[in-house]
Amino acid sequence: DTEVTQTPKHLVMGMTNKKSLKCEQHMGHRAMYWYKQKAKKPPELMFVYSYEKLSINESVPSRFSPECPNSSLLNLHLHALQPEDSALYLCASSQEPGLVSNEQFFGPGTRLTVL
Amino acid sequence: GNSVTQMEGPVTLSEEAFLTINCTYTATGYPSLFWYVQYPGEGLQLLLKATKADDKGSNKGFEATYRKETTSFHLEKGSVQVSDSAVYFCALSDNTNAGKSTFGDGTTLTVKP
Repeated sequence: DTEVTQTPKHLVMGMTNKKSLKCEQHMGHRAMYWYKQKAKKPPELMFVYSYEKLSINESVPSRFSPECPNSSLLNLHLHALQPEDSALYLCASSQEPGLVSNEQFFGPGTRLTVL
Repeated sequence: GNSVTQMEGPVTLSEEAFLTINCTYTATGYPSLFWYVQYPGEGLQLLLKATKADDKGSNKGFEATYRKETTSFHLEKGSVQVSDSAVYFCALSDNTNAGKSTFGDGTTLTVKP
């Protein structure tokens, strides 16, 4: 299984809602990532988990809260988002944290719209 | 810091035309280089990679050679198809940046029949 899955595929939420994005991989990868991608732009790194511990937070606002319950799962909890947070949220994984030759495997993304 | 510069798009070609998308990089360490492709409505997927100087990555008819002397990793394909229409991202990761990837801005390719 060489797939990263993400749910939901689409999400519409109001600024007062709380929602969560989910990501799963069964490749035994020990690094997992959250990216934000705006239209016609490259992905922007948000968080990196290495061996289930948060290793990188790219100064992301606290209204985004990541969680890694186990080595296969990654969540992104959303609360009090702003319309400018509307974007495609991509999850990715790679075999070993910090191994520069490792490619990243990306999920299909969650298209988030904040009203 | 690290950076990746891709040729500006969009690029529009006729089917069976030759494709080149230029990519140059700046890195402080010894980077690995990647090309990712993103089809409409999908996430990114690895197209090819090279981990050291003079390596050639290839996949699905696409090729790119890691040129340390010119700090380049240009993507080429001899004969494009309509199904190659997508956004192409050049990226690097190196050992000075905790293995994080740096992406270029992406180049949109449209192939017309």
